[in-house]
Amino acid sequence: GDSVTQMEGPVTLSEEAFLTINCTYTATGYPSLFWYVQYPGEGLQLLLKATKADDKGSNKGFEATYRKETTSFHLEKGSVQVSDSAVYFCALTPNTGNQFYFGTGTSLTVIP
Amino acid sequence: EAGVAQSPRYKIIEKRQSVAFWCNPISGHATLYWYQQILGQGPKLLIQFQNNGVVDDSQLPKDRFSAERLKGVDSTLKIQPAKLEDSAVYLCASSLAPSGNTIYFGEGSWLTVV
Repeated sequence: GDSVTQMEGPVTLSEEAFLTINCTYTATGYPSLFWYVQYPGEGLQLLLKATKADDKGSNKGFEATYRKETTSFHLEKGSVQVSDSAVYFCALTPNTGNQFYFGTGTSLTVIP
Repeated sequence: EAGVAQSPRYKIIEKRQSVAFWCNPISGHATLYWYQQILGQGPKLLIQFQNNGVVDDSQLPKDRFSAERLKGVDSTLKIQPAKLEDSAVYLCASSLAPSGNTIYFGEGSWLTVV
């Protein structure tokens, strides 16, 4: 069945460091891919998405490119800030299905 | 545009008691989801509605959990009787359509069972 696998955390980085959080997926057809972010004590918020191969989603300095050949959607940011400390979830929804599949989440802590 | 509204935000109950959570989705969103998120884990789908019909409730523990969406708008999720392992955040989410669309989450209802 469809699924998402993301790198385990926690991840701790210094401010202004480069961030990569890996996400790979298993799905038939061409799913839509998402990154959601969850700040402490809050619900999940959409960070970015991509709906077809080679699309790049971007928001708040974060980017992720939909790679069909490697079935990946890695999240990157060139220079992280303390305010980026949160849990990041990769997710997919099949274009012909009706459910969202979430990864287990990766906790990021950015230290000054 | 108003987001997904949930209440209560926090609830503490004793085991074997009952609790109910309410959700009001974004206006016009036909699909409504209830997720359970245990601390340190990703969201797990409990039930999905399309309008007022159930699309998927395969992971809903039906012996103690129930949910309804009578008029295709608001929804309630009930737990009776609660167990210690039900301590979690209950997230409501909604989307325009069930396939390929973004889902939007509420702030969550945080349940502690003691």
